[in-house]
Amino acid sequence: SQKIEQNSEALNIQEGKTATLTCNYTNYSPAYLQWYRQDPGRGPVFLLLIRENEKEKRKERLKVTFDTTLKQSLFHITASQPADSATYLCALDITGGGNKLTFGTGTQLKVEL
Amino acid sequence: DVKVTQSSRYLVKRTGEKVFLECVQDMDHENMFWYRQDPGLGLRLIYFSYDVKMKEKGDIPEGYSVSREKKERFSLILESASTNQTSMYLCASSSRFQETQYFGPGTRLLVL
Repeated sequence: SQKIEQNSEALNIQEGKTATLTCNYTNYSPAYLQWYRQDPGRGPVFLLLIRENEKEKRKERLKVTFDTTLKQSLFHITASQPADSATYLCALDITGGGNKLTFGTGTQLKVEL
Repeated sequence: DVKVTQSSRYLVKRTGEKVFLECVQDMDHENMFWYRQDPGLGLRLIYFSYDVKMKEKGDIPEGYSVSREKKERFSLILESASTNQTSMYLCASSSRFQETQYFGPGTRLLVL
């Protein structure tokens, strides 16, 4: 079955720097990959989706890359702010139908002043 | 604005009790999902439904059942709660034509 690996160790960075989070998967490549943000005690919130035929996707200060050869997605937050502190989850689906997303365990990001 | 609501934020139940967790979405979405989230294990899919009265097992359905009598409502039932079902339960919905899932605020369930 598909497994997703995200760095379980928290990532601490300084305000203004670029945060880079990694999502690796095994086995077959998904039709698309999604990134979600989760704050403590709350449900995940969708951020970005990148499809298998896309190399890169941007939204404001967020950028996602998708390398199907490496079986890896990178999630970047540029000019990071303390308000970006949260847990970031990647999720993938191989059916393309939005069903049965498999989620990683998430990486906790802390942006310090 | 998209909205998924869950009946309780916190719930305390005793072992052996029957527990109902309710989820309602107001977006006319076809798909609805129940997950549980535990430290170090991430989000795991319990059941999902892609239409009224339809349901499919997720990765960890044992000890749970679901009900979807109306499009907007998806209920998770713990037939006989056990301490290992203490967890955060998250409901989500999505459109048949869109891959994004919208999550509710979660229900933190403690089984004593």
